[in-house]
Amino acid sequence: DQQVKQNSPSLSVQEGRISILNCDYTNSMFDYFLWYKKYPAEGPTFLISISSIKDKNEDGRFTVFLNKSAKHLSLHIVPSQPGDSAVYFCAASDSGNTPLVFGKGTRLSVIA
Amino acid sequence: GAVVSQHPSRVICKSGTSVKIECRSLDFQATTMFWYRQFPKQSLMLMATSNEGSKATYEQGVEKDKFLINHASLTLSTLTVTSAHPEDSSFYICSARDPRGPETQYFGPGTRLLVL
Repeated sequence: DQQVKQNSPSLSVQEGRISILNCDYTNSMFDYFLWYKKYPAEGPTFLISISSIKDKNEDGRFTVFLNKSAKHLSLHIVPSQPGDSAVYFCAASDSGNTPLVFGKGTRLSVIA
Repeated sequence: GAVVSQHPSRVICKSGTSVKIECRSLDFQATTMFWYRQFPKQSLMLMATSNEGSKATYEQGVEKDKFLINHASLTLSTLTVTSAHPEDSSFYICSARDPRGPETQYFGPGTRLLVL
């Protein structure tokens, strides 16, 4: 049973436009959510996170939105740049020293 | 963010040999580290949770005698792939949680293992 789902395996966006990556979760105990970016043959890089007490967190071009009632979060990248092309993983935590639960990732391609 | 290193970045070995991969947290102490495996075009698969001073916790389907994990200090965890076979060829990534902050894991750069 997949607790964190990224239903879009891939997404193509034109440079300068907004990229919206979506993530759904099923476990209501999750209270901390993260987005990671991964290039081929590299480890994931932490991008941005949000606690369940918030509904929005912004860091430069990246904004994460959390809708707890819908158990849905999204990552907005604006404006999108070719260097943003990578696989983006959504992850969730229920606090404590447990492993993060990852989605399967969405491959973003930003076309110049 | 916190820094996690892995060594080696790439290793090629003969079938039947053992390979050790090191994961270090460079600027923080990590009581818990995690080992993942990624096959081509697939998502990260958690293999085990490495606990400093105690036995690792393995995920279902991961052979603990095959993938030996040692977390001897607060900054070092090692994964040893014993008697490696070609099907063990993969990209292995470790991560560590920085206890000074929220529940964020920081990942190492990964180790590409190729078993001939």
